[in-house]
Amino acid sequence: TQLLEQSPQFLSIQEGENLTVYCNSSSVFSSLQWYRQEPGEGPVLLVTVVTGGEVKKLKRLTFQFGDARKDSSLHITAAQPGDTGLYLCAGVAGTYKYIFGTGTRLKVLA
Amino acid sequence: DSGVTQTPKHLITATGQRVTLRCSPRSGDLSVYWYQQSLDQGLQFLIQYYNGEERAKGNILERFSAQQFPDLHSELNLSSLELGDSALYFCASSGTRGGRTDTQYFGPGTRLTVL
Repeated sequence: TQLLEQSPQFLSIQEGENLTVYCNSSSVFSSLQWYRQEPGEGPVLLVTVVTGGEVKKLKRLTFQFGDARKDSSLHITAAQPGDTGLYLCAGVAGTYKYIFGTGTRLKVLA
Repeated sequence: DSGVTQTPKHLITATGQRVTLRCSPRSGDLSVYWYQQSLDQGLQFLIQYYNGEERAKGNILERFSAQQFPDLHSELNLSSLELGDSALYFCASSGTRGGRTDTQYFGPGTRLTVL
């Protein structure tokens, strides 16, 4: 069974702090996606990384795909209250199955 | 607003019953995906349809079934309901067959409570 473990599970930080969320697996994925989900809504895609070692930036968010395509990280610089939400990574397996991570619940305090 | 609609928003039923959840994809999208989100299991991929045909299957129980109709809307049928089936059920759509760069747009979900 393919699993994606995210850490930390919960994170509460002050506005302006930096943070990193990790997404790890023992399986290789053809790509990895990051989503943010807010209460009462469905997940919204933030980014897709495809190549091992790839780094993508989205304003204050930096996403990296591991060289072996088994892990990924999300780094947020100078977190803001608007970054609060559930962050989910999702690996795309060979047969178009989408394996979602366990989630990281982030709260940024003003 | 993602453009994906799901009905009903909330559903409360009893164990042993059968329910149908409905999803309308974004205009022009041919793929529909179903997911189950519970507190202890996270977001689980159930099944994908592309242009009316089943394309990929995840952890979908035999008591659950789905179909995509010619107008591209999809229905997820859950039968012989158990307490553990209580969860948020999401539908997502995309314009492609799916794959490593696929962008899925999620609906607002249906919250199912089984009493």
